[in-house]
This record gives sequence, structure tokens and C-alpha cells, in this order.
Amino acid sequence: GAVVSQHPSWVICKSGTSVKIECRSLDFQATTMFWYRQFPKQSLMLMATSNEGSKATYEQGVEKDKFLINHASLTLSTLTVTSAHPEDSSFYICSARLAGGGNEQFFGPGTRLTVL
Amino acid sequence: AQSVTQLGSHVSVSEGALVLLRCNYSSSVPPYLFWYVQYPNQGLQLLLKYTTGATLVKGINGFEAEFKKSETSFHLTKPSAHMSDAAEYFCAVSDRAGGYNKLIFGAGTRLAVHP
Repeated sequence: GAVVSQHPSWVICKSGTSVKIECRSLDFQATTMFWYRQFPKQSLMLMATSNEGSKATYEQGVEKDKFLINHASLTLSTLTVTSAHPEDSSFYICSARLAGGGNEQFFGPGTRLTVL
Repeated sequence: AQSVTQLGSHVSVSEGALVLLRCNYSSSVPPYLFWYVQYPNQGLQLLLKYTTGATLVKGINGFEAEFKKSETSFHLTKPSAHMSDAAEYFCAVSDRAGGYNKLIFGAGTRLAVHP
């Protein structure tokens, strides 16, 4: 149980294009999902917290117009990197928290984004 | 602000040797504590967590960690390392009062296991 998937697992795009990454909780409902960014050989940095049906809460320094987050249902959150540039190349990981409480987050396998 | 310190960005042990990965947190109020493992190009897998109760927590794959309030530590150990334990390990904390349970991660420790 408590499986989180991400799609795509990797994506290569041209500079200036937009890329959408999906995060799904497969066997549970998640009222809260989190989006992290991980640079090579570094730790995870929280980008934003996404709550179903409401606007995402972004961490300081994260551009909300650059990284659009939509949490349309209890099992799906999407992150769209708009007008991507090479510096946006990174490993993006989502996690989901069980609806109804608990402090554990279940992580997706990550999406490797490369912007040329 | 809450912070997590993992001493040693790289740890190398021999197969069969004790594994000790160190983690200290900064909060005066004990937070929730977690250890995660990450294999290359993969997400994070929870090894174990401490929320309340017994301070020695047993996790998966033979790992365990002990919460020591007086030392603000949550070090991860395993009595005998296997080659398959080679990975990146992250210590994380979450404030008990946080409504969204944000996780704050340490910088990570890369564990290498050699024959």
C-alpha cells in the first residue's frame, strides 16, 4: 500500500517550452502533496505544499509563476515548469500524505528533467 | 528555524562491519524524526521513524535508530553492513505543531560498502 507514482520518469525538452509532471497516489487519498527539487549529490529542497482544492503554498525563493502546481483531486497533483531553462534541469520528487492524518509522507520515484 | 545536521557526507565501511550514520536536529522541542534511503535515480524509501514511545526504533533492512533527547540526536545504525546497503541516506525532521508536516532534510550521507 501507499504507492506514489510520477509521470514521466524522465523528460528532455528545449529551452522555452513547458513541461508537466504528474504525481499520483495509487492506492490512497492524499489531501496534501509536496513537491521537492534535488540537484545532483544534494539533498531535497521543498518547493511547495499542495492541498487538494486550494492554492499551493510555495517556499521562499520559489517562483509560483514559474512552477505551477495544481492539486485537482485527492489522488493527483501536477507540477508544470513553465518556460523551462537549462538551470531548471533537476530531479523533481513528489510525496503524498495520507488523508485523515499521520505524519508520514510517501515518495514518488522522481522525474529527471533535462532542459537543453 | 529547524535544521538537521548529518555529520559526514561520505561514510565507507567494510561488508559485515557496523554502520553508524549520524544525525542531529536543532529544535528544543523534539520533532518527529525520520530516516530515508535513496538509491540512484529513485525516490525516497522510509527506513524508520520516531514519533513517540520507545526511543529505540527498529526499521526495515536491519536498521535501527535511537532518539536521544539530551543529545538532540537520532543516529542510524546497522550491526552488519551488506553490499546492498550502499545508497544515500537522509535524516529528516517534521515539527509536531506543523499543520502540513513539512519535512526538513539533512544534507545526506552517502554510504559505500566495500568487500
